[in-house]
Amino acid sequence: DAKTTQPPSMDCAEGRAANLPCNHSTISGNEYVYWYRQIHSQGPQYIIHGLKNNETNEMASLIITEDRKSSTLILPHATLRDTAVYYCIVIRGDDKIIFGKGTRLHILP
Amino acid sequence: DTGVSQDPRHKITKRGQNVTFRCDPISEHNRLYWYRQTLGQGPEFLTYFQNEAQLEKSRLLSDRFSAERPKGSFSTLEIQRTEQGDSAMYLCASSLVGRTRTDTQYFGPGTRLTVL
Repeated sequence: DAKTTQPPSMDCAEGRAANLPCNHSTISGNEYVYWYRQIHSQGPQYIIHGLKNNETNEMASLIITEDRKSSTLILPHATLRDTAVYYCIVIRGDDKIIFGKGTRLHILP
Repeated sequence: DTGVSQDPRHKITKRGQNVTFRCDPISEHNRLYWYRQTLGQGPEFLTYFQNEAQLEKSRLLSDRFSAERPKGSFSTLEIQRTEQGDSAMYLCASSLVGRTRTDTQYFGPGTRLTVL
């Protein structure tokens, strides 16, 4: 079973920040938090990952709580192309991925 | 484009036929994974290779499924005697294990199989 809990769906207005939450209360010390997204009929796309510290790249920011039991993916200026299913995954670096159902993010024009 | 390619992108076959899919990983990646995704579900792990060695197989991988990575580069996934329940998207991912503390998996575009 997936080790994460995500809301099944969320809406966000175009141009606003999309904040996607994820709970991973049973995360182990050597497990990373990864985020992928999947646009309809495409393969999952890697977004970002982190261990303890907050991370930022050209796509998104990842905020991990101090106790590491939850995290938030932030898309700073959502566009219609960000409409996708977003998967939060907890994984030791060299292991297979166990996907949950993810969050279906709808960007509203 | 992640650098992982899969061929074909779409395959339609009749029940009982054999099909084979190919995955070409990112060139220096030593690990290759296969996943399967049915409609409305997240991808499910099938098997993975470290170089040419197949190290783990899911119980989803029945005897009709076989995967190979003969030279540690590309991989093939064959399904014999296809059934309608095999209709799914078959995804390949690759990663570089061992040189960094995290080993991000990069996915290909997938092969969509339809069994009639």
